[in-house]
Amino acid sequence: KNQVEQSPQSLIILEGKNCTLQCNYTVSPFSNLRWYKQDTGRGPVSLTIMTFSENTKSNGRYTATLDADTKQSSLHITASQLSDSASYICVVTYLGVSGYALNFGKGTSLLVTP
Amino acid sequence: GAGVSQSPSNKVTEKGKDVELRCDPISGHTALYWYRQSLGQGLEFLIYFQGNSAPDKSGLPSDRFSAERTGGSVSTLTIQRTQQEDSAVYLCASSFTGTAKNIQYFGAGTRLSVL
Repeated sequence: KNQVEQSPQSLIILEGKNCTLQCNYTVSPFSNLRWYKQDTGRGPVSLTIMTFSENTKSNGRYTATLDADTKQSSLHITASQLSDSASYICVVTYLGVSGYALNFGKGTSLLVTP
Repeated sequence: GAGVSQSPSNKVTEKGKDVELRCDPISGHTALYWYRQSLGQGLEFLIYFQGNSAPDKSGLPSDRFSAERTGGSVSTLTIQRTQQEDSAVYLCASSFTGTAKNIQYFGAGTRLSVL
Protein backbone atom coordinates (compact mmCIF):
# COMPACT_ATOMS: atom_id res chain seq x y z
CA LYS A 1 0.00 0.00 0.00
CA ASN A 2 1.33 3.38 -1.01
CA GLN A 3 2.24 5.46 1.99
CA VAL A 4 1.41 8.70 0.16
CA GLU A 5 -2.13 9.16 -1.11
CA GLN A 6 -3.14 12.10 -3.27
CA SER A 7 -6.58 13.38 -4.13
CA PRO A 8 -8.30 14.03 -6.34
CA GLN A 9 -6.77 11.83 -9.01
CA SER A 10 -7.70 14.41 -11.63
CA LEU A 11 -9.27 17.84 -11.64
CA ILE A 12 -10.61 20.23 -14.26
CA ILE A 13 -11.08 23.91 -13.41
CA LEU A 14 -11.73 27.12 -15.29
CA GLU A 15 -8.94 29.60 -15.80
CA GLY A 16 -8.83 32.14 -13.00
CA LYS A 17 -10.37 29.84 -10.40
CA ASN A 18 -8.62 28.55 -7.29
CA CYS A 19 -8.11 24.90 -6.42
CA THR A 20 -6.68 22.77 -3.64
CA LEU A 21 -4.93 19.45 -3.98
CA GLN A 22 -4.60 17.06 -1.08
CA CYS A 23 -1.84 14.76 0.12
CA ASN A 24 -2.20 12.35 3.04
CA TYR A 25 0.69 10.24 4.19
CA THR A 26 1.51 7.52 6.70
CA VAL A 27 5.28 7.75 6.32
CA SER A 28 7.10 7.81 9.65
CA PRO A 29 9.50 9.08 10.81
CA PHE A 30 8.92 12.09 8.66
CA SER A 31 11.72 14.31 7.41
CA ASN A 32 10.16 16.63 4.87
CA LEU A 33 7.39 16.95 2.33
CA ARG A 34 7.77 18.26 -1.18
CA TRP A 35 5.39 19.23 -3.94
CA TYR A 36 6.52 18.86 -7.54
CA LYS A 37 4.92 20.05 -10.76
CA GLN A 38 5.37 17.83 -13.78
CA ASP A 39 4.42 19.17 -17.18
CA THR A 40 3.55 16.62 -19.85
CA GLY A 41 6.70 15.13 -21.30
CA ARG A 42 8.95 16.84 -18.77
CA GLY A 43 10.61 15.86 -15.52
CA PRO A 44 9.16 17.00 -12.18
CA VAL A 45 10.11 20.48 -10.96
CA SER A 46 10.23 21.31 -7.27
CA LEU A 47 7.60 23.81 -6.04
CA THR A 48 7.96 23.70 -2.26
CA ILE A 49 9.71 21.75 0.45
CA MET A 50 8.58 21.80 4.08
CA THR A 51 10.05 20.31 7.21
CA PHE A 52 8.21 19.14 10.30
CA SER A 53 8.20 22.59 11.88
CA GLU A 54 6.85 24.46 8.86
CA ASN A 55 3.09 24.89 8.44
CA THR A 56 2.99 26.81 5.20
CA LYS A 57 5.23 27.79 2.34
CA SER A 58 4.46 29.83 -0.73
CA ASN A 59 5.93 29.96 -4.20
CA GLY A 60 4.14 32.61 -6.23
CA ARG A 61 0.54 31.50 -6.73
CA TYR A 62 1.29 28.14 -5.11
CA THR A 63 0.84 27.77 -1.35
CA ALA A 64 1.54 24.50 0.42
CA THR A 65 0.36 23.72 3.93
CA LEU A 66 1.45 20.96 6.25
CA ASP A 67 -0.20 19.49 9.34
CA ALA A 68 2.34 17.04 10.70
CA ASP A 69 -0.05 15.93 13.46
CA THR A 70 -2.72 14.71 11.06
CA LYS A 71 -0.14 13.90 8.35
CA GLN A 72 -1.88 15.98 5.75
CA SER A 73 -0.65 18.50 3.25
CA SER A 74 -2.41 20.61 0.68
CA LEU A 75 -1.31 22.59 -2.32
CA HIS A 76 -3.46 25.62 -3.08
CA ILE A 77 -3.28 27.25 -6.49
CA THR A 78 -4.62 30.78 -6.70
CA ALA A 79 -5.98 32.43 -9.84
CA SER A 80 -5.16 29.45 -12.02
CA GLN A 81 -3.58 29.88 -15.43
CA LEU A 82 -3.57 27.61 -18.45
CA SER A 83 0.10 26.90 -17.76
CA ASP A 84 -0.84 25.34 -14.44
CA SER A 85 -2.14 22.33 -16.32
CA ALA A 86 0.19 19.57 -15.17
CA SER A 87 0.55 16.69 -12.77
CA TYR A 88 1.26 17.66 -9.17
CA ILE A 89 3.21 15.13 -7.16
CA CYS A 90 3.52 14.96 -3.38
CA VAL A 91 6.74 13.41 -2.08
CA VAL A 92 7.35 12.53 1.57
CA THR A 93 10.83 11.82 2.81
CA TYR A 94 11.27 9.04 5.32
CA LEU A 95 14.33 9.20 7.53
CA GLY A 96 15.44 5.85 8.86
CA VAL A 97 18.54 4.44 10.50
CA SER A 98 20.03 3.47 7.14
CA GLY A 99 19.37 6.77 5.51
CA TYR A 100 16.44 8.42 3.87
CA ALA A 101 14.02 7.38 1.18
CA LEU A 102 11.51 9.25 -0.90
CA ASN A 103 7.89 8.12 -1.04
CA PHE A 104 6.02 9.41 -4.06
CA GLY A 105 2.30 9.91 -4.47
CA LYS A 106 0.73 9.04 -7.81
CA GLY A 107 -0.02 12.65 -8.49
CA THR A 108 -3.05 14.78 -9.26
CA SER A 109 -3.60 15.64 -12.88
CA LEU A 110 -4.85 19.22 -13.21
CA LEU A 111 -6.38 20.64 -16.35
CA VAL A 112 -7.09 24.36 -16.54
CA THR A 113 -9.50 25.28 -19.32
CA PRO A 114 -10.21 28.68 -20.90
CA GLY B 1 24.21 22.36 -19.80
CA ALA B 2 22.40 23.98 -16.91
CA GLY B 3 20.07 21.10 -16.13
CA VAL B 4 19.96 17.33 -16.00
CA SER B 5 20.24 15.91 -19.49
CA GLN B 6 18.92 12.52 -20.52
CA SER B 7 19.31 10.67 -23.77
CA PRO B 8 17.73 9.42 -25.83
CA SER B 9 14.43 11.19 -25.24
CA ASN B 10 12.58 8.30 -26.84
CA LYS B 11 13.61 4.71 -27.38
CA VAL B 12 11.65 2.00 -29.15
CA THR B 13 13.05 -1.48 -28.91
CA GLU B 14 12.03 -5.06 -29.51
CA LYS B 15 11.37 -7.46 -26.70
CA GLY B 16 14.55 -9.25 -25.71
CA LYS B 17 16.93 -6.50 -26.79
CA ASP B 18 19.23 -4.63 -24.42
CA VAL B 19 18.95 -0.86 -24.01
CA GLU B 20 21.16 1.79 -22.46
CA LEU B 21 19.82 5.05 -21.10
CA ARG B 22 22.14 7.93 -20.31
CA CYS B 23 21.99 10.67 -17.69
CA ASP B 24 24.20 13.75 -17.44
CA PRO B 25 23.66 15.30 -13.99
CA ILE B 26 24.11 18.93 -13.09
CA SER B 27 27.80 19.70 -12.74
CA GLY B 28 28.92 19.50 -9.12
CA HIS B 29 26.00 17.37 -7.94
CA THR B 30 27.25 14.37 -6.03
CA ALA B 31 23.95 12.51 -5.77
CA LEU B 32 22.22 10.87 -8.74
CA TYR B 33 18.94 8.97 -8.81
CA TRP B 34 17.10 6.85 -11.34
CA TYR B 35 13.31 6.52 -11.25
CA ARG B 36 10.73 4.81 -13.40
CA GLN B 37 7.31 6.28 -14.11
CA SER B 38 4.74 3.95 -15.61
CA LEU B 39 1.44 5.13 -17.06
CA GLY B 40 -0.94 6.02 -14.26
CA GLN B 41 1.60 5.16 -11.59
CA GLY B 42 3.74 7.23 -9.29
CA LEU B 43 7.46 7.55 -9.53
CA GLU B 44 9.26 4.34 -8.61
CA PHE B 45 12.76 4.57 -7.16
CA LEU B 46 15.33 2.40 -8.90
CA ILE B 47 18.88 3.25 -7.79
CA TYR B 48 20.81 5.99 -6.00
CA PHE B 49 24.47 7.01 -6.32
CA GLN B 50 26.18 9.22 -3.75
CA GLY B 51 29.76 10.22 -4.39
CA ASN B 52 32.10 7.25 -4.23
CA SER B 53 29.87 5.22 -1.93
CA ALA B 54 28.37 1.93 -2.98
CA PRO B 55 25.08 2.64 -4.77
CA ASP B 56 21.71 1.90 -3.20
CA LYS B 57 20.28 -0.67 -5.63
CA SER B 58 17.30 -1.57 -3.49
CA GLY B 59 14.77 -0.34 -6.05
CA LEU B 60 15.97 -2.30 -9.07
CA PRO B 61 13.07 -4.60 -10.04
CA SER B 62 15.16 -7.48 -11.37
CA ASP B 63 18.71 -8.52 -12.21
CA ARG B 64 18.06 -7.41 -15.80
CA PHE B 65 18.46 -3.85 -14.55
CA SER B 66 21.84 -2.36 -13.75
CA ALA B 67 23.37 1.07 -13.57
CA GLU B 68 26.77 2.58 -13.28
CA ARG B 69 28.15 6.02 -12.74
CA THR B 70 31.56 6.66 -14.20
CA GLY B 71 33.85 9.29 -12.78
CA GLY B 72 31.18 10.45 -10.40
CA SER B 73 29.31 12.18 -13.20
CA VAL B 74 27.54 10.53 -16.14
CA SER B 75 25.34 7.53 -15.38
CA THR B 76 24.05 4.75 -17.60
CA LEU B 77 21.01 2.63 -16.82
CA THR B 78 21.08 -0.69 -18.68
CA ILE B 79 18.11 -2.98 -19.15
CA GLN B 80 18.94 -6.39 -20.52
CA ARG B 81 16.52 -8.66 -22.37
CA THR B 82 13.79 -6.02 -22.26
CA GLN B 83 10.22 -7.05 -21.57
CA GLN B 84 7.01 -5.25 -22.47
CA GLU B 85 6.42 -4.39 -18.81
CA ASP B 86 9.66 -2.38 -18.91
CA SER B 87 7.87 0.22 -21.06
CA ALA B 88 7.85 3.43 -19.04
CA VAL B 89 9.46 6.82 -18.71
CA TYR B 90 12.83 6.57 -17.00
CA LEU B 91 13.72 9.71 -15.10
CA CYS B 92 17.09 10.74 -13.76
CA ALA B 93 17.58 13.31 -11.02
CA SER B 94 20.58 14.84 -9.32
CA SER B 95 21.08 16.85 -6.16
CA PHE B 96 23.97 18.79 -4.67
CA THR B 97 24.42 16.20 -1.94
CA GLY B 98 22.47 13.17 -0.83
CA THR B 99 21.02 14.73 2.29
CA ALA B 100 17.29 14.62 2.86
CA LYS B 101 16.74 18.36 2.41
CA ASN B 102 18.38 18.71 -0.97
CA ILE B 103 16.16 19.42 -3.93
CA GLN B 104 16.35 16.86 -6.68
CA TYR B 105 16.48 18.28 -10.17
CA PHE B 106 14.97 16.02 -12.78
CA GLY B 107 15.76 15.47 -16.40
CA ALA B 108 13.03 15.27 -19.03
CA GLY B 109 13.21 11.50 -19.04
CA THR B 110 13.62 8.75 -21.60
CA ARG B 111 10.39 7.22 -22.86
CA LEU B 112 11.05 3.53 -23.44
CA SER B 113 8.65 1.49 -25.52
CA VAL B 114 9.21 -2.25 -25.74
CA LEU B 115 7.31 -3.85 -28.61
